[in-house]
Amino acid sequence: EAGVAQSPRYKIIEKRQSVAFWCNPISGHATLYWYQQILGQGPKLLIQFQNNGVVDDSQLPKDRFSAERLKGVDSTLKIQPAKLEDSAVYLCASTRSSGTEAFFGQGTRLTVV
Amino acid sequence: KQEVTQIPAALSVPEGENLVLNCSFTDSAIYNLQWFRQDPGKGLTSLLLIQSSQREQTSGRLNASLDKSSGRSTLYIAASQPGDSATYLCANQGGDDKIIFGKGTRLHILP
Repeated sequence: EAGVAQSPRYKIIEKRQSVAFWCNPISGHATLYWYQQILGQGPKLLIQFQNNGVVDDSQLPKDRFSAERLKGVDSTLKIQPAKLEDSAVYLCASTRSSGTEAFFGQGTRLTVV
Repeated sequence: KQEVTQIPAALSVPEGENLVLNCSFTDSAIYNLQWFRQDPGKGLTSLLLIQSSQREQTSGRLNASLDKSSGRSTLYIAASQPGDSATYLCANQGGDDKIIFGKGTRLHILP
């Protein structure tokens, strides 16, 4: 069974530029999560999808962050414009159904300079 | 609002020792609790998943326990090895399917 795929692995951009991250969850997994992990901290939930609907985006800075999961499969997370404090690792995870094991991708390390 | 706390934040122990990592959470209405390992610059690797109806899970030298009533979980590592050095994160999944993480324990096993 293939794992959660994320791309790119690394990205360096200047502040005020835009960036997009892509995630392909494990096949058949209904729930998809995006997390932001700042160095030295635990992952912070940004947005949670159930199939192609948003379940929770209460911690997503909607003035600059957006995410979509068209067709309920893969997902993209976009930042526009980026700020220095957005430098972090962005992790994608998926679960098959409620209460089941979560699987994570390798993450995208974003550096904003 | 669910909060997850991990103690200690960092731990250094000599190789061969047994050790315990602690995780506490404020809302006991959870589906499960999951322990992860994170190596520097890498993603999260799932170690153990304990369903809310279970008390513990074991995998090799790892044993995780769950006490929902007190809002606590522990990860026990037996006969530690230098390869166990990593950050260990606990996370619980609530009835709304949100997965909330602690800040992790940075573990260093001294050869």
